[in-house]
Amino acid sequence: DADVTQTPRNRITKTGKRIMLECSQTKGHDRMYWYRQDPGLGLQLIYYSFDVKDINKGEISDGYSVSRQAQAKFSLSLESAIPNQTALYFCATSTGGWQPQHFGDGTRLSIL
Amino acid sequence: GQQVMQIPQYQHVQEGEDFTTYCNSSTTLSNIQWYKQRPGGHPVFLIQLVKSGEVKKQKRLTFQFGEAKKNSSLHITATQTTDVGTYFCALSGSARQLTFGSGTQLTVLP
Repeated sequence: DADVTQTPRNRITKTGKRIMLECSQTKGHDRMYWYRQDPGLGLQLIYYSFDVKDINKGEISDGYSVSRQAQAKFSLSLESAIPNQTALYFCATSTGGWQPQHFGDGTRLSIL
Repeated sequence: GQQVMQIPQYQHVQEGEDFTTYCNSSTTLSNIQWYKQRPGGHPVFLIQLVKSGEVKKQKRLTFQFGEAKKNSSLHITATQTTDVGTYFCALSGSARQLTFGSGTQLTVLP
């Protein structure tokens, strides 16, 4: 959805570097999510936030951190990138409960 | 934790043939969602099933929720090249988030 914007779209970096992926939304949704997608493994939840003060770890949070700067902004950081963090990263939003999630276009991250 | 199995992982069909993907959970679900991801794209929500035994249709797509609310299926009748992509089920978890299946990648041969 154009309402969920991820930057950058592509990033190539080196092992050990700190990386920040950003997500902003104009949908007015309270809930935001970060997922990682590897071929054949579907979408794995890294972190999720139900509002600015409610941030939770997902199933694969090790090596990642997040910041919810505002309702509309949710950033994902890799403090010291390693090659096995090479993947496609998606941000998503939803209104609440079990409502559908709306995904951004993704960030393709390569760590050399 | 909650486990989800989605099969098959890959499916190649000739255009016009039918296609079905199955999603099975280790626990009883409150609801299930289905998403489609086109090649190079992002997941897009298709539908949500809530009731035991529920069947919903969207044109050539038929979605079904099992009677025990532990499994679901997506059936496409007479596939077209526009159906190409990966289909994911997503299960409602106990920790207020969705657990996605590994997806079924559909290839439609013209």
